Amino acid sequence: AQSVTQPDIHITVSEGASLELRCNYSYGATPYLFWYVQSPGQGLQLLLKYFSGDTLVQGIKGFEAEFKRSQSSFNLRKPSVHWSDAAEYFCAVGPLNTDKLIFGTGTRLQVFP
Amino acid sequence: KAGVTQTPRYLIKTRGQQVTLSCSPISGHRSVSWYQQTPGQGLQFLFEYFSETQRNKGNFPGRFSGRQFSNSRSEMNVSTLELGDSALYLCASSLDSGQNNEQFFGPGTRLTVL
Repeated sequence: AQSVTQPDIHITVSEGASLELRCNYSYGATPYLFWYVQSPGQGLQLLLKYFSGDTLVQGIKGFEAEFKRSQSSFNLRKPSVHWSDAAEYFCAVGPLNTDKLIFGTGTRLQVFP
Repeated sequence: KAGVTQTPRYLIKTRGQQVTLSCSPISGHRSVSWYQQTPGQGLQFLFEYFSETQRNKGNFPGRFSGRQFSNSRSEMNVSTLELGDSALYLCASSLDSGQNNEQFFGPGTRLTVL
């Protein structure tokens, strides 16, 4: 079955600290992987996506993610977190030929000054 | 360029009623998808429409239905509302169906069923 697991429900970091949000997936075919961010009262915004090629993907707002096929992981990283990064982050996987996305349960990021 | 708009933003209904939610995609986008977001189940895919045709359907009961019009605007309908239907309903649009096209999400319609 296709699924996405985000093991960390809630993460708290200090502003300026580095960040890594974990994502593991189960998918039968070549996965198309995404990270979205949702701020309170907002819809989802795409941070980055991986289809193929270079396994280190750069996104918006200084985020990057690394695809590791052997570990079925697609972890999101940021070297220095800003207070404005506080939000909920969702990892998702989807097939190539449709818009359907399977989301993880999300990780809520809290940033302390 | 205007983003995805959803109306209404907030809605309160009672059990047994029906509700219709509307989504206007970004101009030029032909694919619209709907998701339900709840604290317990997270984000779950409802439907995907492309050129007025339903391309994919999630695992929801028949009380949940949708449609897409020739101008790509989409509506979803929930009949015989249950308490568990309380959720944020998100709509997303993309230029064309398929993951090569970025999906843009609207702010959602928050439905409360009393």
